[in-house]
Amino acid sequence: GAGVSQSPRYKVAKRGQDVALRCDPISGHVSLFWYQQALGQGPEFLTYFQNEAQLDKSGLPSDRFFAERPEGSVSTLKIQRTQQEDSAVYLCASSSSATGYLSPLHFGNGTRLTVT
Amino acid sequence: ILNVEQSPQSLHVQEGDSTNFTCSFPSSNFYALHWYRWETAKSPEALFVMTLNGDEKKKGRISATLNTKEGYSYLYIKGSQPEDSATYLCAFKGGANNLFFGTGTRLTVIP
Repeated sequence: GAGVSQSPRYKVAKRGQDVALRCDPISGHVSLFWYQQALGQGPEFLTYFQNEAQLDKSGLPSDRFFAERPEGSVSTLKIQRTQQEDSAVYLCASSSSATGYLSPLHFGNGTRLTVT
Repeated sequence: ILNVEQSPQSLHVQEGDSTNFTCSFPSSNFYALHWYRWETAKSPEALFVMTLNGDEKKKGRISATLNTKEGYSYLYIKGSQPEDSATYLCAFKGGANNLFFGTGTRLTVIP
């Protein structure tokens, strides 16, 4: 299908390990968002890309979190030295809208990260 | 962080009943309001994107209204079916570069 694809679907990491989460957006979508969803909460914004430019990273919780989208398509969210509080579902979404809000977001299935 | 609130947090309805729930958001600096439906083990699916005060959108048995002046949107489901069971999320777009999501309303339709 031509939807947003995220991998891995599940990831278990020991505290202190680094992890990398991948997002393949819908081809041609300009905007890409990463969200973090803790249990019982709504998705919380992490960062936003317009093509390869990271226009907003104000939601990244610490300098252990880093995201990139070097060629304006695939994006990777990297978490260094994982902590238990990083356990959550990480959602990626893309949009055809350059500003990301006049068109709906198309979400992937998410990556469930568990830090033990 | 903007305050986007959804109520109720969860509800159970009988099959065939109609239901509605609320999304409240800041009434200033409004750009858009999104509704999404999220079924367990699937990805959130867009229902509506609303931008104008007084907007009403309809998709099958589901409809939504928008009041930007008072900062609320209602989502209505007519004649609920078991397949409507899901979490319904609203998301508000103000002046920032992102959408702020509420915590969702979890709907269970009992056959």
